[in-house]
Amino acid sequence: GQQLNQSPQSMFIQEGEDVSMNCTSSSIFNTWLWYKQDPGEGPVLLIALYKAGELTSNGRLTAQFGITRKDSFLNISASIPSDVGIYFCAGRRNSGGYQKVTFGTGTKLQVIP
Amino acid sequence: DSGVTQTPKHLITATGQRVTLRCSPRSGDLSVYWYQQSLDQGLQFLIQYYNGEERAKGNILERFSAQQFPDLHSELNLSSLELGDSALYFCASSPGAVDDEQYFGPGTRLTVT
Repeated sequence: GQQLNQSPQSMFIQEGEDVSMNCTSSSIFNTWLWYKQDPGEGPVLLIALYKAGELTSNGRLTAQFGITRKDSFLNISASIPSDVGIYFCAGRRNSGGYQKVTFGTGTKLQVIP
Repeated sequence: DSGVTQTPKHLITATGQRVTLRCSPRSGDLSVYWYQQSLDQGLQFLIQYYNGEERAKGNILERFSAQQFPDLHSELNLSSLELGDSALYFCASSPGAVDDEQYFGPGTRLTVT
C-alpha cells in the first residue's frame, strides 16, 4: 500500500534537545496530521493542519503544512523522557466524497535522560 | 483514553482459522475505520464504515470483511488466516464521514501460529 516517506526513521537524542522530523509525498494533501504512538497503544492525534503554509503549535510541539502541500514538518522543543514513542504523519485528501488517509512510515524517538 | 474500545486485546490462533475483532466507537462518532499495523508494512488503512454503510475501502484482502451495526459498533472478520496476518489491528472513529480527525483504540494484537 501507499505510504508517505517520513524521516528520520529513528533518532536518539539527549533530554532537553530539540527534535525535527518531516514527511514528504509525491501527492498533494488537503490535511496533514501528526500522531504519536506509545508502545502497546493506539496512535494519538497531536496536531492537525488544514491549510498550506499553516504553522500550528501544541505546547512544545510545532508542525507546519508545506507550501507545496506535499510535505509537513514536526518539531519538538526541549525534549523530555515522555516524548519517547513513534511519531506518524498522515496526509488526507478527499477523493470522490471519500476520505483517503495515508500514513507515514513513522519516526521512532528515543530520549536519553 | 480515546474513548474507542477494542476487544479482545490479544488473540492467538492457528493458520486457516477465522476470528472476529470488535470495536466500539467514541460516543457520538458515526464513522469507524480499521487499520492493520505490521512491522514491515506500517499502518495500513483497511476499510471505513459510516453510519452502517461502507464508506471507503483501502488495502483490505478478500479474506477480510467488516460491518457496522445499528448501535454503531463494528466487527472485522478475518478468515483463512495466514502467518502474515499476524499484526496489530486498530479501530478508529470520527464524528463524520469526511474532514474529521480519527481517534484510535488500543488495538488487538493478532498472532497466527
